Amino acid sequence: GAVVSQHPSRVICKSGTSVKIECRSLDFQATTMFWYRQFPKQSLMLMATSNEGSKATYEQGVEKDKFLINHASLTLSTLTVTSAHPEDSSFYICSARDPRTSEGYTFGSGTRLTVV
Amino acid sequence: KQEVTQIPAALSVPEGENLVLNCSFTDSAIYNLQWFRQDPGKGLTSLLLIQSSQREQTSGRLNASLDKSSGRSTLYIAASQPGDSATYLCAVRNIGNQFYFGTGTSLTVIP
Repeated sequence: GAVVSQHPSRVICKSGTSVKIECRSLDFQATTMFWYRQFPKQSLMLMATSNEGSKATYEQGVEKDKFLINHASLTLSTLTVTSAHPEDSSFYICSARDPRTSEGYTFGSGTRLTVV
Repeated sequence: KQEVTQIPAALSVPEGENLVLNCSFTDSAIYNLQWFRQDPGKGLTSLLLIQSSQREQTSGRLNASLDKSSGRSTLYIAASQPGDSATYLCAVRNIGNQFYFGTGTSLTVIP
């Protein structure tokens, strides 16, 4: 089945620095990828939709200048958390759908970001 | 806006028991509904996908049903095992391709 690889799985960074999270579709091409954020004991909330070769679409309330998304190829989307603050500490997950199948979305294994 | 609710929020059962997890959604104009499992600190594992035209899907000890008109889905787990302990999330995909997740049910199966 479709596989989505997400790296790193865990990252700790200092306040004010930037962190980049990668999401790769390993065996299929994904023109669209999705980025979610999950706070402790809460469900996943869609942050943005990443479109290959064009600008990402951000959900209401998500700062596009803080959460930079780049989808430069059909197999890679990156999320960069800029000038990180402790309140950005969360679990970030990406997903994509294999267009070859009618199956649902495949999710990455997630990235636990801790900002100290 | 689509709202997805899961009941109960937490459930604890003895091993071997059959159980039902509930998911409800407010907008019936969905493309499909998917059930996921999430282990602590991990990503999501897809369990079952039900297209809007389907009524149920089965995989092993799992059975998911969908009643689109009433905005409900259930996940039935037969003969529960300690390894089933995890958080179960349902998610609906709207016609517009947006995904909405439920709040999740945290399941503990006691040996």
